[in-house]
Amino acid sequence: EDQVTQSPEALRLQEGESSSLNCSYTVSGLRGLFWYRQDPGKGPEFLFTLYSAGEEKEKERLKATLTKKESFLHITAPKPEDSATYLCAVQADSWGKLQFGAGTQVVVTP
Amino acid sequence: DTAVSQTPKYLVTQMGNDKSIKCEQNLGHDTMYWYKQDSKKFLKIMFSYNNKELIINETVPNRFSPKSPDKAHLNLHINSLELGDSAVYFCASSTNFRGSTYEQFFGPGTRLTVL
Repeated sequence: EDQVTQSPEALRLQEGESSSLNCSYTVSGLRGLFWYRQDPGKGPEFLFTLYSAGEEKEKERLKATLTKKESFLHITAPKPEDSATYLCAVQADSWGKLQFGAGTQVVVTP
Repeated sequence: DTAVSQTPKYLVTQMGNDKSIKCEQNLGHDTMYWYKQDSKKFLKIMFSYNNKELIINETVPNRFSPKSPDKAHLNLHINSLELGDSAVYFCASSTNFRGSTYEQFFGPGTRLTVL
């Protein structure tokens, strides 16, 4: 059965303290791995799509990487506005069925 | 604004009632989805429509019935509401072309509370 596991569940960082979030997955025939950011009371906001092992994508202080078994979301020199829950999702079918992990709640303090 | 919108944002109702949630997207996408996010914040897909055709139908009680009048709209009707239906329901949309994978854009959510 397909599984997506995110760790840690929660992460508290000082402003400027870089860290990484992990998303490990077991899925047959990965078509895409997605990272989303969700703020309280809002819908998930798309960040990145990764398609194959070795791929990397960057956006401001965020960098996502992908291996055959896991993905990392690196947050470099975070700011308080990076506080959010970060969700990882995998797609194995051709119709967009996303399986989400439970998320990592990140809090960045000044 | 181009976006995915949902109405209502909040819905409080009694057990046994029937209610509907509406979703509209003006992104020009051909695929729309309904997700349920429970109290533990776990997001799970319920249904998906591609060009008004149901393509994803997860194990969901048949009290839940989606309906897509056109590519830009997807509604969710829930009959005989139960306490366990309390959750946040998200609509999303994406482009889906010949099996290619594209990112999904989510609406702001509808918080359903069943008393």
